[in-house]
Amino acid sequence: DTEVTQTPKHLVMGMTNKKSLKCEQHMGHRAMYWYKQKAKKPPELMFVYSYEKLSINESVPSRFSPECPNSSLLNLHLHALQPEDSALYLCASSQVVNQPQHFGDGTRLSIL
Amino acid sequence: QQPVQSPQAVILREGEDAVINCSSSKALYSVHWYRQKHGEAPVFLMILLKGGEQKGHDKISASFNEKKQQSSLYLTASQLSYSGTYFCGTALKTSYDKVIFGPGTSLSVIP
Repeated sequence: DTEVTQTPKHLVMGMTNKKSLKCEQHMGHRAMYWYKQKAKKPPELMFVYSYEKLSINESVPSRFSPECPNSSLLNLHLHALQPEDSALYLCASSQVVNQPQHFGDGTRLSIL
Repeated sequence: QQPVQSPQAVILREGEDAVINCSSSKALYSVHWYRQKHGEAPVFLMILLKGGEQKGHDKISASFNEKKQQSSLYLTASQLSYSGTYFCGTALKTSYDKVIFGPGTSLSVIP
């Protein structure tokens, strides 16, 4: 049982599509994260939200657009992705930044 | 600023011990350790916030040498369930809100 829920689990989209990934936690955590993970590589930090404000953007291309509508929800909006964007996208949360992170099971994204 | 981990991979027999090292070229604020099993999400093991700090639970412990900007993860009397990829994550003193993961150490425990 994971306390961070990500939907969908799998997503296949074309390069011209627009889709969104969703992440939800009900642990009262005030820091939330998006990571991208390729096979046999470490999770690569994309965005950090702290108290619903974007605090870190690791020079991610604008075709990825994060949104934090409230303290429990984190979205990642996708538009005009490239084949190299195919990866596992992990969401995580922690009480505040620099505290233990709880990861969701991820969304496996494939770009055709 | 990605930390360096060693070894890249290790194979152990049940009951053997292992040490995984993590080092940074910059001053560290904290070190985090996670384990990820194949097809699963990373799972938090421990966080070290002060130089010299040692933490552990069960037969897994870790130390943090702030002066050398190094951390080590110790796995004693390994069990089959310890298999997976171990990542250290480091936060720098200049940007403590950003944890960057090392390349990982693949650990396989065989009977």
